[in-house]
Amino acid sequence: AQSVTQPDIHITVSEGASLELRCNYSYGATPYLFWYVQSPGQGLQLLLKYFSGDTLVQGIKGFEAEFKRSQSSFNLRKPSVHWSDAAEYFCAVGAHSSASKIIFGSGTRLSIRP
Amino acid sequence: DTEVTQTPKHLVMGMTNKKSLKCEQHMGHRAMYWYKQKAKKPPELMFVYSYEKLSINESVPSRFSPECPNSSLLNLHLHALQPEDSALYLCASSQASGGYNEQFFGPGTRLTVL
Repeated sequence: AQSVTQPDIHITVSEGASLELRCNYSYGATPYLFWYVQSPGQGLQLLLKYFSGDTLVQGIKGFEAEFKRSQSSFNLRKPSVHWSDAAEYFCAVGAHSSASKIIFGSGTRLSIRP
Repeated sequence: DTEVTQTPKHLVMGMTNKKSLKCEQHMGHRAMYWYKQKAKKPPELMFVYSYEKLSINESVPSRFSPECPNSSLLNLHLHALQPEDSALYLCASSQASGGYNEQFFGPGTRLTVL
């Protein structure tokens, strides 16, 4: 079974600074990896996904993530954060099976310092 | 149309009430999901419907009763809930079921049980 860990519960960065949110997964085969963002009281929005191919994935809102098989990681990055990026970020992992589910990490809350 | 809509946005109910949550999508997706999300936690999967048939029930108490009248609609019937059932209830849909499909989420229904 697959699992995912987000080691950082809460991160604060200054507006305009770079950002990296960590995600580590556990799965025996090639995983399907997702990053979702959730603003307070809202649903989840998909930022980007990795299925195969190029290990650097571009997403919406200027986010990117890099799949590193050797480190079982799929970290999310943004070169310059904006105050509107303050939200909860969830990494998720899925498997190639119609019976499988998407497993969410515990989330990282991002705060932006003015 | 890439939206998943949910009604109502907020719901307050007593422990003896019967109410329903509604979810709708018009993306032609054949899988639909109900999640429960408590504050500062990731979404927890409750039910999965695939081609209008219940395919996953995550051992959810019978006071929650899902229904999928057609491929675009998903309901969650609530009866005799407990205060600990207060949470954000999220609906999602995907092209097909399985952990390799990205899910599109609605904004959620904020449920308070008194």
